[in-house]
Amino acid sequence: GQQVQQSPASLVLQEGENAELQCNFSSTATRLQWFYQRPGGSLVSLLSNPSGTKHTGRLTSTTVTKERRGSLHISSSQITDSGTYLCAMERDSGGSNAKLTFGKGTKLSVKS
Amino acid sequence: NAGVIQTPRHKVTGKGQEATLWCEPISGHSAVFWYRQTIVQGLEFLTYFRNQAPIDDSGMPKERFSAQMPNQSHSTLKIQSTQPQDSAVYLCASSLGLGGEQYFGPGTRLTVL
Repeated sequence: GQQVQQSPASLVLQEGENAELQCNFSSTATRLQWFYQRPGGSLVSLLSNPSGTKHTGRLTSTTVTKERRGSLHISSSQITDSGTYLCAMERDSGGSNAKLTFGKGTKLSVKS
Repeated sequence: NAGVIQTPRHKVTGKGQEATLWCEPISGHSAVFWYRQTIVQGLEFLTYFRNQAPIDDSGMPKERFSAQMPNQSHSTLKIQSTQPQDSAVYLCASSLGLGGEQYFGPGTRLTVL
């Protein structure tokens, strides 16, 4: 089954509204990393979070590894935030399982 | 810091031809990862190296795919006898060490006709 599930699959917001993106994973994780991608664009790393809460700008990442879930909060959304947000899970930092397993993404559209 | 560099950015091959993709990791990063992205499958792991040694190639199709890291400044992904289903964006990422934040290159878009 799918190891990393993201919800919602798509989200439409009015400019200025907040967004809450969810990430659930089916096995233990040592870290979640959130990425942003525009159509045809590169993967841009937003936040890397082993546990707890981390902030950068208008973004807040919360990871609760024991409950196998994480979230990305975007405050005061802007039109330029539109794109796909991907959650990726790492199962084992130091051993042979440092690869990232990705969810299918949340497609965010922010309208004026 | 130029970030992760991937060349070429686009490659078109005919069915049955060979394709070689190059990746230059961020200077000082010891871990290099290869992934590929398609609309249907999303982002999938292929293989990774640490200090140039292969660690995990569990995502690599065994028959025609191979990856190498001959020195700390570049890695290659080679696909022999390319097939239309190999068409994808191939992404390279590097991190300072295992367990560190991964930084991705712009990808190589491979189209097999």
